[in-house]
Amino acid sequence: DSGVTQTPKHLITATGQRVTLRCSPRSGDLSVYWYQQSLDQGLQFLIQYYNGEERAKGNILERFSAQQFPDLHSELNLSSLELGDSALYFCASSGHNGEKLFFGSGTQLSVL
Amino acid sequence: GDSVTQMEGPVTLSEEAFLTINCTYTATGYPSLFWYVQYPGEGLQLLLKATKADDKGSNKGFEATYRKETTSFHLEKGSVQVSDSAVYFCALRKNSNTGKLIFGQGTTLQVKP
Repeated sequence: DSGVTQTPKHLITATGQRVTLRCSPRSGDLSVYWYQQSLDQGLQFLIQYYNGEERAKGNILERFSAQQFPDLHSELNLSSLELGDSALYFCASSGHNGEKLFFGSGTQLSVL
Repeated sequence: GDSVTQMEGPVTLSEEAFLTINCTYTATGYPSLFWYVQYPGEGLQLLLKATKADDKGSNKGFEATYRKETTSFHLEKGSVQVSDSAVYFCALRKNSNTGKLIFGQGTTLQVKP
């Protein structure tokens, strides 16, 4: 158990809809990262937050947004969903130096 | 841009065979290098890392040496077990101010008894 909790584990929705993925980091970790894993793109870095502030941004679509709340949990919002957004979305957390990332078990999103 | 290239899988081995999974990277400067492992239905776990040239990372019988001259970080294990069956990801971290990792495509390892 990595200590990182992601909910829900599975999400099935339709095109055009909006969903929210939730992540609770390990106790004491200030950084949260979001990754998208798909068969064709592999593991793609989306965004990182550190103590509530955006720290780094990757290949995140404009339809996607994230935030980190004062209690350090994070949410990834995906809107106007398309079939191609179907993927496994991972959250990870780390301490301030980012030497080691701890990954959650992921949220499997299926857009039908 | 920065990138990581891994050998394509799946790699299928018999128990106690020798394992090599090739990984090469493209990056300027001196990135840190990592191997992560993903067991079925789970998130990724750090397997080993190396932060500078000629460093050797090791864990659970796995080893990898940071070779700057060949920009490589190949994963090796002398004798694999069925329990090593998983997906292995090579990754680099460019910026020490962020833990952002750039991953390779992943290599699936299947070990048969």
